[in-house]
Amino acid sequence: AQSVTQLGSHVSVSEGALVLLRCNYSSSVPPYLFWYVQYPNQGLQLLLKYTSAATLVKGINGFEAEFKKSETSFHLTKPSAHMSDAAEYFCAVNRAQKLVFGQGTRLTINP
Amino acid sequence: DAGVIQSPRHEVTEMGQEVTLRCKPISGHNSLFWYRQTMMRGLELLIYFNNNVPIDDSGMPEDRFSAKMPNASFSTLKIQPSEPRDSAVYFCASSLKGWTEAFFGQGTRLTVV
Repeated sequence: AQSVTQLGSHVSVSEGALVLLRCNYSSSVPPYLFWYVQYPNQGLQLLLKYTSAATLVKGINGFEAEFKKSETSFHLTKPSAHMSDAAEYFCAVNRAQKLVFGQGTRLTINP
Repeated sequence: DAGVIQSPRHEVTEMGQEVTLRCKPISGHNSLFWYRQTMMRGLELLIYFNNNVPIDDSGMPEDRFSAKMPNASFSTLKIQPSEPRDSAVYFCASSLKGWTEAFFGQGTRLTVV
């Protein structure tokens, strides 16, 4: 069965610092992987997706993620955090034609 | 495209009442999903449709919950009777095909008192 695990329910970084949000997946076949962002009182918005093309995927708002098969990871990064990045981030894997989400990581940005 | 449209955005109802949540998916999308989000359980998939046909409803918590998709542009999620533990944010999402990314609506915040 395919699933994802997000390490760390809360991450706090200073403005301008590197953002690293961790996601590991379990899958018996090459997965489709996604990162979504949810701002307060909003729906989920797609940040980026991996669909077995390039392993380094660039998304919106300066975020990117790297698919590492050897580590079964799909960590999300951004070189320099901005206050507007404060939100909840969800990693998801496609399983049997439906998205299965991780528990989410709340990102806080300190001024 | 206006995206996935859900109504109402907020619903407050008394325990025992019937609640109907509505969703209009993105035109041309073949798959539709209903999710529930709570602090305790996170995002749970309740049911999903492919070409208007329910494919997997294993996430529907109880018989009090039902969902329909009478046509490609409309779906409802009904709770009858509602209970306080049903209080949550309910999201509808649609995708072009089941394995592609899903686009989410703004959600319906349901409060059952």
